[in-house]
Amino acid sequence: AQKVTQAQTEISVVEKEDVTLDCVYETRDTTYYLFWYKQPPSGELVFLIRRNSFDEQNEISGRYSWNFQKSTSSFNFTITASQVVDSAVYFCALSPIQGAQKLVFGQGTRLTINP
Amino acid sequence: KAGVTQTPRYLIKTRGQQVTLSCSPISGHRSVSWYQQTPGQGLQFLFEYFSETQRNKGNFPGRFSGRQFSNSRSEMNVSTLELGDSALYLCASSLSGTIGTDTQYFGPGTRLTVL
Repeated sequence: AQKVTQAQTEISVVEKEDVTLDCVYETRDTTYYLFWYKQPPSGELVFLIRRNSFDEQNEISGRYSWNFQKSTSSFNFTITASQVVDSAVYFCALSPIQGAQKLVFGQGTRLTINP
Repeated sequence: KAGVTQTPRYLIKTRGQQVTLSCSPISGHRSVSWYQQTPGQGLQFLFEYFSETQRNKGNFPGRFSGRQFSNSRSEMNVSTLELGDSALYLCASSLSGTIGTDTQYFGPGTRLTVL
């Protein structure tokens, strides 16, 4: 069975601080995809990144960066110089490459950036 | 390009009733997936439709059903509502439903309250 764990239920930081959201996953598949989504108060999930299990390169996109470590089954997300607009619930998700194309989500981390 | 739209945005029903939720995907998208989001269970996959056929199904009772029309619009139905069905129901669309290459775009959701 597949499982995604986001141990941090809520995080609160002051604007401009760096913050890392943790994601640990379990899967018996040798190939899979990992995702991060953002859910602002409006409710709709916004896609942030997709990572193939073959590709362990870290990725940076502006203030966002992702650290994928297959050895520890982790896919952590860091926001540098956080801003109030980053406040949202962030979800890590997993999907197999073969078979049912569906996302298995973690419980989410509520991130609050205080001015 | 218009995003994924879901109607209605809010619904209040009583136990035992049935409900139909609607999802209009982004123009050109042929895959529609449905997810249930609750505080206790988090985000869970319900089912996915592609070209009017259900391709994948999550672990939900038969009271939850869906369909997709030739224009890719999708509906999901919940019969004999229970209190535990109160949730945010999210719809997502993508070109072909291939999670590795297609991005899933989510709608704002329908918040269902069962009294």
